[in-house]
Amino acid sequence: GQNIDQPTEMTATEGAIVQINCTYQTSGFNGLFWYQQHAGEAPTFLSYNVLDGLEEKGRFSSFLSRSKGYSYLLLKELQMKDSASYLCAGVTTDSWGKFQFGAGTQVVVTP
Amino acid sequence: NAGVTQTPKFRVLKTGQSMTLLCAQDMNHEYMYWYRQDPGMGLRLIHYSVGEGTTAKGEVPDGYNVSRLKKQNFLLGLESAAPSQTSVYFCASSYPQGILGYTFGSGTRLTVV
Repeated sequence: GQNIDQPTEMTATEGAIVQINCTYQTSGFNGLFWYQQHAGEAPTFLSYNVLDGLEEKGRFSSFLSRSKGYSYLLLKELQMKDSASYLCAGVTTDSWGKFQFGAGTQVVVTP
Repeated sequence: NAGVTQTPKFRVLKTGQSMTLLCAQDMNHEYMYWYRQDPGMGLRLIHYSVGEGTTAKGEVPDGYNVSRLKKQNFLLGLESAAPSQTSVYFCASSYPQGILGYTFGSGTRLTVV
């Protein structure tokens, strides 16, 4: 398998910035996904990184360093609706599309 | 567009009962997956399929069976439910190799008493 590690919970204030880190084993690595999951709902796709660097999509950005086995999701200008669990998921070259998910980081946005 | 549809959304079973969870996708995806999600453990793969008529075991397959008789449907069966199978079950589908990521169904919350 491909161990995916991410913090359990983070708290931030509305309007602030939060960075969620994710580390993974680099063997056979072939891409990293971030998903958002609100309580009681299905995960929804946020971003995908396969090359080193930063991918920006509005208030959300995702960064990848393949050599370090490290990614982060950056949430800017936090809104109350951003309170959710954020899942990091890795895929390897021999995994046939099977994603290895981290346990998720619960982000709590406070007023 | 319906995407991925799961039925039922909620179910309570008694220990030893059987049931089938249904998953249907209308995106013409080749790959389909069944995951379970438990608090603090993230999503864990039960079984998956890379095409019609094919199935394979994932990380936690014991106590479950699957079938993919049609490309758009992926069924998950519990032959004799146990309390340890109390969980939220998600079906997902994707293009080959998971390219562009998964599309998830809305989930089935199963309680075994």
